[in-house]
This record gives sequence, C-alpha cells and structure tokens, in this order.
Amino acid sequence: ETGVTQTPRHLVMGMTNKKSLKCEQHLGHNAMYWYKQSAKKPLELMFVYNFKEQTENNSVPSRFSPECPNSSHLFLHLHTLQPEDSALYLCASSQEGTFTDTQYFGPGTRLTVL
Amino acid sequence: AQSVSQHNHHVILSEAASLELGCNYSYGGTVNLFWYVQYPGQHLQLLLKYFSGDPLVKGIKGFEAEFIKSKFSFNLRKPSVQWSDTAEYFCAVISNTGKLIFGQGTTLQVKP
Repeated sequence: ETGVTQTPRHLVMGMTNKKSLKCEQHLGHNAMYWYKQSAKKPLELMFVYNFKEQTENNSVPSRFSPECPNSSHLFLHLHTLQPEDSALYLCASSQEGTFTDTQYFGPGTRLTVL
Repeated sequence: AQSVSQHNHHVILSEAASLELGCNYSYGGTVNLFWYVQYPGQHLQLLLKYFSGDPLVKGIKGFEAEFIKSKFSFNLRKPSVQWSDTAEYFCAVISNTGKLIFGQGTTLQVKP
C-alpha cells in the first residue's frame, strides 16, 4: 500500500449507531487531517493532528471524536450522528502541520446516516 | 471570513479547446494559493501552487495558473484540453488564520 488509505470506503449507519472511520498514511508524514465534503459545498476542515497532537478543531460537534494513536493512523469515531452528517469524509496527510505543505488525500469514506 | 469562489460549476469542452477556470478569493493579505484536481475514481491531488515569485505558475499535465493580485484571482488555464482532463477542479487558499479554504469545485467534462 502506498499513499493515504481509508476504510471503509462506504458506510451506512443509523442515528443511534457507533462507528469509526480509519485513515492510514504510508508516506512518513507527521501531520494528518480530517475534511468533510458535503454535496454542493466546499471541503471543510474538521481536525488537524501534528505529531499526534490535535492542533485544530474547527468547531466540530462532539458527536465526531478524532483519535490519533501515532503519526501514521487517524480515526474518526462517530456517535449519534444526524442525517445532515451524510457526506464524503476525506483524510489527508502532509510532512509538517503547516498548510503550505502539500497535502496528500485519501479516497474518502462515503457516509450515509439514516 | 475568507472565502474562495469558483464561478464555473460545470464546464463542458471539446478536445483541443482552451480552458480557463475562474477562482477568486476574498482575503487581501499575503496569500498562498492552490489548485487541486480529482480525476474520476481517484484521490484529490495537487495540480499547482503559488506562494511567491513569478505570478505565472506551471503545474503538472500542462496546466498553469496566474495570480493577479489586483483582481484577487488565481485562474487555471490549459491551452488545449484532452479527454483525460475530465475531472473536478478545486481552488484553495490559505487564510489569515492559517487554514486551507476550498472553493466549491468546478466539474470539467471534455468530450472526445
């Protein structure tokens, strides 16, 4: 595997479910990001982790809980989501945690909340 | 708040036609600008970026973009498109808070 991988690629869940999205980067980068891409809207930054420490939380509701156990892995734990949370969730990584670094994106997880 | 506008939401061109996709941003200070591309079924990837220096930036696959500070614009151009350029194109800017802000994207469809 090379680059940034995300699992699962598709997820359907009910509002009372708990699920997790996984992201793994094989690039030796130190920063990882979660973005949300909703239909007809720009990509929205959710979280940034730099050297496993969260450096950015872009006013994301607490029903989204990120976890970064090491620089290669990033999770997004989902709990009691709403239908409006249905979107494509993209993970990205970069060498450092500055936005001037080129970010490398994963394929995304298409989430549907029923 | 800073914003990025891509006025063309869906563009359809024939092969060999010239391309120009508009991008305007609202931030008046020092800017860092990007164009990303997402080919069908593939990851979002960097096409080109501008930080400083020559305002005409050349990227991969024959694309270029010109930073015009007076117009707050960073339009993407290619003199002759190919069917393989069919993709979604995103303009992005780093805001004064250091966050990467994306435009809504432009879908380009190139007819063979």
